[in-house]
Amino acid sequence: AQKITQTQPGMFVQEKEAVTLDCTYDTSDQSYGLFWYKQPSSGEMIFLIYQGSYDEQNATEGRYSLNFQKARKSANLVISASQLGDSAMYFCAMTRGAQKLVFGQGTRLTINP
Amino acid sequence: SAVISQKPSRDICQRGTSLTIQCQVDSQVTMMFWYRQQPGQSLTLIATANQGSEATYESGFVIDKFPISRPNLTFSTLTVSNMSPEDSSIYLCSVFGGRSYNEQFFGPGTRLTVL
Repeated sequence: AQKITQTQPGMFVQEKEAVTLDCTYDTSDQSYGLFWYKQPSSGEMIFLIYQGSYDEQNATEGRYSLNFQKARKSANLVISASQLGDSAMYFCAMTRGAQKLVFGQGTRLTINP
Repeated sequence: SAVISQKPSRDICQRGTSLTIQCQVDSQVTMMFWYRQQPGQSLTLIATANQGSEATYESGFVIDKFPISRPNLTFSTLTVSNMSPEDSSIYLCSVFGGRSYNEQFFGPGTRLTVL
């Protein structure tokens, strides 16, 4: 069964610094997708970035990049030049079966001015 | 990206009553997904809704408690029946879309409080 592990319940970072949020996964599937979502206090789930298991290059979307290390089964999110608006819960997820997602427990990121 | 709307955005309900949540997508999609997020927890998939067939429920969720309708390719409803305080959660619908249809997008969620 697929499993996502996020070992950092909370992180505190100074504004403008880069931050790495950890995510490891476990699956026996050869084909899968990895996702990161941001959830502000409003509760909405904001899609940030996607990485396919067969993608050779790490995914990037603006200030977000996904550090994909397949052999280590890790998919860490890197946010460059953090901003106060980045403060939120961040969830790592992966596909399970046909488009279903299984989520990690999340990391609460706080950006300090 | 897909644009998804949900109604209501939030509600406070009495135990024993039922609430129907609506999810509308701006494009036709084959599958729609319903997730629950209990307070302080992660998201858990309730069921997958396909147009023209019965929803497929995940372990721990049953149709009598969470009946789902999928009348067309852009709309779905989730009903939370005979509610108890344990049903207090955020309920979110989602669909796949994006450049390569590998990205999954969520609606804004329905924040339900059961007294």
